Amino acid sequence: SQTIHQWPATLVQPVGSPLSLECTVEGTSNPNLYWYRQAAGRGLQLLFYSVGIGQISSEVPQNLSASRPQDRQFILSSKKLLLSDSGFYLCAWRPQGAGSPLHFGNGTRLTVT
Amino acid sequence: DQQVKQNSPSLSVQEGRISILNCDYTNSMFDYFLWYKKYPAEGPTFLISISSIKDKNEDGRFTVFLNKSAKHLSLHIVPSQPGDSAVYFCAASATTGGFKTIFGAGTRLFVKA
Repeated sequence: SQTIHQWPATLVQPVGSPLSLECTVEGTSNPNLYWYRQAAGRGLQLLFYSVGIGQISSEVPQNLSASRPQDRQFILSSKKLLLSDSGFYLCAWRPQGAGSPLHFGNGTRLTVT
Repeated sequence: DQQVKQNSPSLSVQEGRISILNCDYTNSMFDYFLWYKKYPAEGPTFLISISSIKDKNEDGRFTVFLNKSAKHLSLHIVPSQPGDSAVYFCAASATTGGFKTIFGAGTRLFVKA
């Protein structure tokens, strides 16, 4: 069966520090991968998605970037965190092709102080 | 531009009664619709989905209805149980564009015992 791992679960970082969140998927190949953010009391905002290695689509211009160095690995990064980057970050995957739901990891709670 | 809207931030229902959660969308390209349930500090879990070729899909206590002409879908939970208390997200995706899935802001459901 397929599983998705996301770490760390919680993170407290000072303003101006770098960020690296990692997500890996097991039990499948060539998945579509996604990064979402849920700000406090808000819905899920799509940040990035990837349909293959090295292919990244950005949905919202911001202080963050994403990379997919391997088929089942998706990384969310920042060179310098802002206070507004605080939130709950979720990685998700789905199989290629139509008619399949997203499957989410357990999320990372990021607090920028 | 909110392509998926959930206009009710919260809903309170008595145990055993029906819960109806509503969702509207604006993008005519959406052809796959989903409902997710989310507890605090966890990733959303997939509940039920519906393709645009259908107008109803049922899974146990959960039924999703789709009205394409009105660009409206709803989730019915019957009978409601206290364990159903959570935030429910409506989501939509299109076959084109990397199958990116757009979420609404969510509706918090309270089921009172």
